[in-house]
Amino acid sequence: QVQLQESGPGLVKPSQTLSLTCTVSGGSISSGGYYWSWIRQHPGKGLEWIGYIYYSGSTYYNPSLKSRVTISVDTSKNQFSLKLSSVTAADTAVYYCARTHTRYFDYWGQGTLVTVSS
Amino acid sequence: DIQMTQSPSSVSASVGDRVTITCRASQGISSWLAWYQQKPGKAPKLLIYAASSLQSGVPSRFSGSGSGTDFTLTISSLQPEDFATYYCQQANSFPHTFGGGTKVEIK
Repeated sequence: QVQLQESGPGLVKPSQTLSLTCTVSGGSISSGGYYWSWIRQHPGKGLEWIGYIYYSGSTYYNPSLKSRVTISVDTSKNQFSLKLSSVTAADTAVYYCARTHTRYFDYWGQGTLVTVSS
Repeated sequence: DIQMTQSPSSVSASVGDRVTITCRASQGISSWLAWYQQKPGKAPKLLIYAASSLQSGVPSRFSGSGSGTDFTLTISSLQPEDFATYYCQQANSFPHTFGGGTKVEIK
C-alpha cells in the first residue's frame, strides 16, 4: 500500500519561500508509471492543483502559479518537493501531495497546513 | 481553464436515500472526469475515474455517468459513512481543475 507523508514548516513569513517535502513509502517513485502531484486547499474552500512531476524530472505546473512554483524529485530518497516563492496570505492552505495515475489522484498524503503570517 | 460547476452545493438526505450530484464542464472533456469524497480534516479519496470506472475498494453503491460536459455521481443507498463533501475533477487538459464541492448532510 502506497503511503505519502508531507513535511515542512507550518508557518512561513510573507515574501519568503514555502518548502515542503513528500516522502513516499510502499512504492518507488523511480519505478515509473505515475506522476507525483501537489494540490492545495484554502481553508474551507475547494481544491487547487499546483503541478506534478515524473521521476525523470519532467514537470507540469498550473499556469496561475507557474512563475512561483518549482517541483523537484529525489529518487534516492523516494521524495519529491514543492517550493513556492514570494508567498502571501493568499497562499495559506492545506497542502497535499498525491500520486497521479493517468491524471487522477489515487493516493494522497494526510495534508499539512501552511500559514503565511509575519 | 476549464471551469467545473457542481450542483447542488449542498444536499440534505437520509440514510437509504438515493443521492445524485451533477458536475458540468465549461467545455467538452470527453470522459476525463473523476469524483472524490472528502471528510472533515481528511484528504480526498478517489471514488470514480474516467467518468464511470469505480476505484478499487469503493462500494458499488457509488456510480458515475456522463461524457462531454455533463456528469453525474449517484449514491444508490446513502450510508452513514457517506456524509461528506464530494468534488469532481477534470483531467482532460491543463490545468486540472476541480468543482466547488457538494456537501451531503444528514437530514
